Amino acid sequence: DAGVIQSPRHEVTEMGQEVTLRCKPISGHDYLFWYRQTMMRGLELLIYFNNNVPIDDSGMPEDRFSAKMPNASFSTLKIQPSEPRDSAVYFCASSLLASGQETQYFGPGTRLLVL
Amino acid sequence: RKEVEQDPGPFNVPEGATVAFNCTYSNSASQSFFWYRQDCRKEPKLLMSVYSSGNEDGRFTAQLNRASQYISLLIRDSKLSDSATYLCVVNGAGGSYIPTFGRGTSLIVHP
Repeated sequence: DAGVIQSPRHEVTEMGQEVTLRCKPISGHDYLFWYRQTMMRGLELLIYFNNNVPIDDSGMPEDRFSAKMPNASFSTLKIQPSEPRDSAVYFCASSLLASGQETQYFGPGTRLLVL
Repeated sequence: RKEVEQDPGPFNVPEGATVAFNCTYSNSASQSFFWYRQDCRKEPKLLMSVYSSGNEDGRFTAQLNRASQYISLLIRDSKLSDSATYLCVVNGAGGSYIPTFGRGTSLIVHP
C-alpha cells in the first residue's frame, strides 16, 4: 500500500489567500484525522471523520477552517482566508478501527507558510 | 490540567545508556495507550502499544500504571538512531475515541 498521501508537501502563500490541503487515506480505512503541529502547541487534532462523516470538529480553530470528505478516498482541509498564524505542518492520518486496530497512519504532512 | 502531559526534555544520553520517559493522563476512563516516534521533519509513526500487563519489543519496554494514571517507555542500550521525539497517545482521554497526543519528549543520543 502507498500509505497516506498528502498534497502539496509544501505551500507558501500570502495572507488572505485560500489554501486547500488534500489527503488520500489508506484504502479501506474507516477513520480520517486532520492534525496541525506547531512548536508552541504540539500536535492538535482539528477534525476527524468516520466513514466519510465528520464526527468531531471541535478542534477547528475558527470559521476560516473547513474540512470535507466527499468519498472514502479523499479529504480536503481548506483555510480561507489564510493568516500568518496558520503557518504549521498539517498532517492527515487514517486508521481502521473496525478491525480493532487503533493505530493511526500519518501522511508526510503539508508544511504551510503564510506570509 | 492538560489531558496528556510529558516532560519535553531534551534527554541527552550517551550511547548504550538506559533512559525512561513518563507520560501522565488525566482521564481515568481512558481506554488505550500508545507510544509514537517522530523524527525531525517527519510524520509520527507507531512505536508500540501499551498493554495493562506491560509489553516489550526488543530494547523497548512500555508499561501502564492505571492507579497513578501514567505510562512509561524504557529504552535500553540506546543507539544514535533512537534520537527522536517520543509522543504519548491516549485514546478516550476526552471521554470518547478521540486520540490525544502529548507534546512529546525529545531524546538525543550522543556518541
